[in-house]
Amino acid sequence: QQPVQSPQAVILREGEDAVINCSSSKALYSVHWYRQKHGEAPVFLMILLKGGEQKGHEKISASFNEKKQQSSLYLTASQLSYSGTYFCGTERQAGTALIFGKGTTLSVSS
Amino acid sequence: DAGVTQSPTHLIKTRGQQVTLRCSPKSGHDTVSWYQQALGQGPQFIFQYYEEEERQRGNFPDRFSGHQFPNYSSELNVNALLLGDSALYLCASRRRGAQGYTFGSGTRLTVV
Repeated sequence: QQPVQSPQAVILREGEDAVINCSSSKALYSVHWYRQKHGEAPVFLMILLKGGEQKGHEKISASFNEKKQQSSLYLTASQLSYSGTYFCGTERQAGTALIFGKGTTLSVSS
Repeated sequence: DAGVTQSPTHLIKTRGQQVTLRCSPKSGHDTVSWYQQALGQGPQFIFQYYEEEERQRGNFPDRFSGHQFPNYSSELNVNALLLGDSALYLCASRRRGAQGYTFGSGTRLTVV
């Protein structure tokens, strides 16, 4: 079952923050986050395993609320390079199919 | 270290024809998944291969079939092409038990 992402699109100025949400109606083993720039392949950002831990590096972090089966991606002090489409992917059990949401398009301008 | 390699990069086929797309996974990766991505949409899961077997399949008709070889490379075959099969086909690989997938740049298939 496809996860639901919100919002569909975000427009930011450099330095502003954004939150992208991903929710599932089914119990999950993991949530992945990927960024895809126009004409390029999706690039892995991070994975959240059930257990509710928060992960991140530099100004991009994410959390996973196992109780709600919801994950959020946090982008702080956005940079022009953050522009692209962000996809969450969910895995019901370890090693099974990764199912992607429809994506959230992030546009950062100077 | 080469990542995931897909060939060809672009392909134009006529409705009703058959097509084969190829994928070489990243070194050390043994699991390959194929995705179809229409313009402006998220990748749609087609199937996943591990140990030369199809382990899981998405909601795609039997016209879509695949194969994984002993060296972990993989092929995606589509028979009786329809106009609606026009899309970017992405191959993604990872080592079983590891974390994120590495994606190839995709094959852009146009059916006319």
